[in-house]
Amino acid sequence: QVQLVQSGAEVKKPGASVKVSCKASGYTFINYGINWVRQAPGQGLEWVASATPGTSDAVYDQRFRDRVTVTSDTSMTTIFMEINSLTSEDTAIYYCARLSQSGQEAFDVWGQGTRVTVSS
Amino acid sequence: QSALTQTASVSGSLGQSISISCTGTADDVGKYNFVSWYQQHPGKAPRLIIQEVIWRPPGVPTRFTGSKSGNTASLTISGLQAEDEADYFCCTYAGNRNYVFGTGTKVSIL
Repeated sequence: QVQLVQSGAEVKKPGASVKVSCKASGYTFINYGINWVRQAPGQGLEWVASATPGTSDAVYDQRFRDRVTVTSDTSMTTIFMEINSLTSEDTAIYYCARLSQSGQEAFDVWGQGTRVTVSS
Repeated sequence: QSALTQTASVSGSLGQSISISCTGTADDVGKYNFVSWYQQHPGKAPRLIIQEVIWRPPGVPTRFTGSKSGNTASLTISGLQAEDEADYFCCTYAGNRNYVFGTGTKVSIL
């Protein structure tokens, strides 16, 4: 079945970097965009970035543009999100989500989430 | 981009109908028919329940309906069920492959 499986929880110190992975299966990896969405504790959803697997094409929310990089490895059908210069405000659950069929602009499949905790 | 505005909480009795609003601007909700809605139970990932304003993906109960008027989109749950108690988030395409989520609405069963 179609699924996205994310890497495990991370604990990082302020100023460090973190790289979260999202492995896709059950569909043709390069045919669907992948987005990253985060949710701080007790808060709502925030869109972070949108990427096209198999290319270097990615778009970032302006709040994250300088610190977030999304890459992919088609041989592993995996997409990665790296966040640099972490602060306590980056403490959140990070979700990858598949963009549904071309033109529908909705996120139809979600990963289980990766909890990132930033603490000294 | 500012978050879309949603009512913080809505409550209703079993079998009752409730509506959740999602207000944006003429540059996002008002401009694109790409509003989607997500249901999130505690500790779980969000689940898509409405896309392109009105369309339900396969498997989503028919009691969930979406609509839009001007800069405000709405989600209606007709015949509230116990399992509908959850957080609900709207989301809109905002151009240039950007997206904006709503602030979220907590739906409670009385």
